[in-house]
Amino acid sequence: AQSVTQPDIHITVSEGASLELRCNYSYGATPYLFWYVQSPGQGLQLLLKYFSGDTLVQGIKGFEAEFKRSQSSFNLRKPSVHWSDAAEYFCAVVGGSNYKLTFGKGTLLTVNP
Amino acid sequence: DTAVSQTPKYLVTQMGNDKSIKCEQNLGHDTMYWYKQDSKKFLKIMFSYNNKELIINETVPNRFSPKSPDKAHLNLHINSLELGDSAVYFCASSQEPSEQYFGPGTRLTVT
Repeated sequence: AQSVTQPDIHITVSEGASLELRCNYSYGATPYLFWYVQSPGQGLQLLLKYFSGDTLVQGIKGFEAEFKRSQSSFNLRKPSVHWSDAAEYFCAVVGGSNYKLTFGKGTLLTVNP
Repeated sequence: DTAVSQTPKYLVTQMGNDKSIKCEQNLGHDTMYWYKQDSKKFLKIMFSYNNKELIINETVPNRFSPKSPDKAHLNLHINSLELGDSAVYFCASSQEPSEQYFGPGTRLTVT
């Protein structure tokens, strides 16, 4: 069965600083990978996805992620964080014939002014 | 023109009651899902329907019963509510094997 690990429960960065959120997955075949963001009291919004092809994927709001098969990782990055990026970030993997989506436990991002 | 909508947004009820949450998607997707997000923000899938057929049924108490009258709707009925059922419930839809689109969530509080 697939699984996702987000090692950082909470990260604090200053506005304008760069950001990297870590995600490691476990799945036997080529996974479909996603990053979602959840602002307080809101639903989940898709930031980006990886299915195949170029391992560096661009998403919305200036985010990008890089798929590294050798490290089973799909880390999310942003070169310059804005205060509005403060939210909970979830990495997720889809695997299996029923396309079950498995989430990591999330990383809470706090942005200091 | 909300893509995935849920009603109600908030639901406060007493232990032992029966309640339903409704979900509708206007994206034309074949597959719909119910997720539970607990107080620690952990998201776990509960059910998935593809063209009105149940395809994922995780380890969920029998008190929870999904119903899909058509592929645009997936409702969640909960019998004999317990304190531990308090959570945010999210509906989602997708056109496999693509990304899932989530509704705004229903915050259920059982007192």
